[in-house]
Amino acid sequence: GAVVSQHPSWVICKSGTSVKIECRSLDFQATTMFWYRQFPKQSLMLMATSNEGSKATYEQGVEKDKFLINHASLTLSTLTVTSAHPEDSSFYICSARDPGPFARQGRHTQYFGPGTRLTVL
Amino acid sequence: GQQLNQSPQSMFIQEGEDVSMNCTSSSIFNTWLWYKQDPGEGPVLLIALYKAGELTSNGRLTAQFGITRKDSFLNISASIPSDVGIYFCAGGGSNYKLTFGKGTLLTVNP
Repeated sequence: GAVVSQHPSWVICKSGTSVKIECRSLDFQATTMFWYRQFPKQSLMLMATSNEGSKATYEQGVEKDKFLINHASLTLSTLTVTSAHPEDSSFYICSARDPGPFARQGRHTQYFGPGTRLTVL
Repeated sequence: GQQLNQSPQSMFIQEGEDVSMNCTSSSIFNTWLWYKQDPGEGPVLLIALYKAGELTSNGRLTAQFGITRKDSFLNISASIPSDVGIYFCAGGGSNYKLTFGKGTLLTVNP
């Protein structure tokens, strides 16, 4: 249980194009999903929180017009990198919050997708 | 953003040895999670801790939620080559966001 998938697993695109990354929770409903970015040999940095049916909440310093997030259903969130540039090349990872039996007590667990390697030429 | 203090940064051990790593924070968390990440993959959840003082095991792995709610440790007993990878601690707050440590790179020599 608690499987999260991402598609595509890797993508190469030209500078100036837009790229969409999908994140799906396969066996549970996730009202909240998260998008992270990870540079080589570094930790995960939270970019935004995606809530089903509402606007995403972005972390300080993350351009919301560049990284468009849509959470249209309880099992799918998408991240679109608009007008991508080489500095956007990175490993993008999503996670889904499993509500579980402890959620009301503030206890929560996040399950991560396998990640998407984006290379912008 | 805020990060946890995770140590050690890296470890080189022989197969069969035990391993210990820990995370500390200046903030209180109500959830502590330990993940393992292999190259090119997403983090995989190893152990979840929800209560101060809680000690939880998952096979050869044991983790504890510090009584002050500001720290946690992970122990791996009798290490094997497949334990190689980067281990991350993560603290969860009331806003459901996770704050990650910088990771511990574990190398196991057969």
